[in-house]
Amino acid sequence: QKEVEQNSGPLSVPEGAIASLNCTYSDRGSQSFFWYRQYSGKSPELIMFIYSNGDKEDGRFTAQLNKASQYVSLLIRDSQPSDSATYLCAVKTSGSRLTFGEGTQLTVNP
Amino acid sequence: DGGITQSPKYLFRKEGQNVTLSCEQNLNHDAMYWYRQDPGQGLRLIYYSQIVNDFQKGDIAEGYSVSREKKESFPLTVTSAQKNPTAFYLCASTSTGNTEAFFGQGTRLTVV
Repeated sequence: QKEVEQNSGPLSVPEGAIASLNCTYSDRGSQSFFWYRQYSGKSPELIMFIYSNGDKEDGRFTAQLNKASQYVSLLIRDSQPSDSATYLCAVKTSGSRLTFGEGTQLTVNP
Repeated sequence: DGGITQSPKYLFRKEGQNVTLSCEQNLNHDAMYWYRQDPGQGLRLIYYSQIVNDFQKGDIAEGYSVSREKKESFPLTVTSAQKNPTAFYLCASTSTGNTEAFFGQGTRLTVV
């Protein structure tokens, strides 16, 4: 079982729609969870982080964490073509090990 | 400005050569990481270090070596034992605890 798994892509949504990205993790000791966005050939940049169960909202982005189900998700509302990128889920354990999923490629069509 | 600097941006290696990728940070971060990314793939952890003079293997450490003699620096050596080193290499750093990682701009290594 992979440490961090993301829903298989690519994901394509029309402009203005909600994009839903999902991630599961295997280590119950994981403490913090991150969503990064990566454009082709560039370094990842942080979108959201979440530590506690529940929802966390920042503008058009909402991260959701359910530790019992070992599940974290990212919702992007009112998707824009500029949101087209690869989204990476990352999980940090107590020992500072930071593991990434395979990424989900999102395309927002005008 | 605070940040992470990777050098060089592009690197070419001949078969059988060792090459070293540089990663320096002035963010006073304790933990540093090296990742490998192949086209269309996610980031795979090579090595990470929580403190000076200590580091742990990640998922794909074979053929790579690291050192952490200074808090600011975490160089990665790609040895001749790494049979398929062509990839995009990313260095990251973070504070201890629940804090996000910051990335350098990456080094694109190509075997010629």
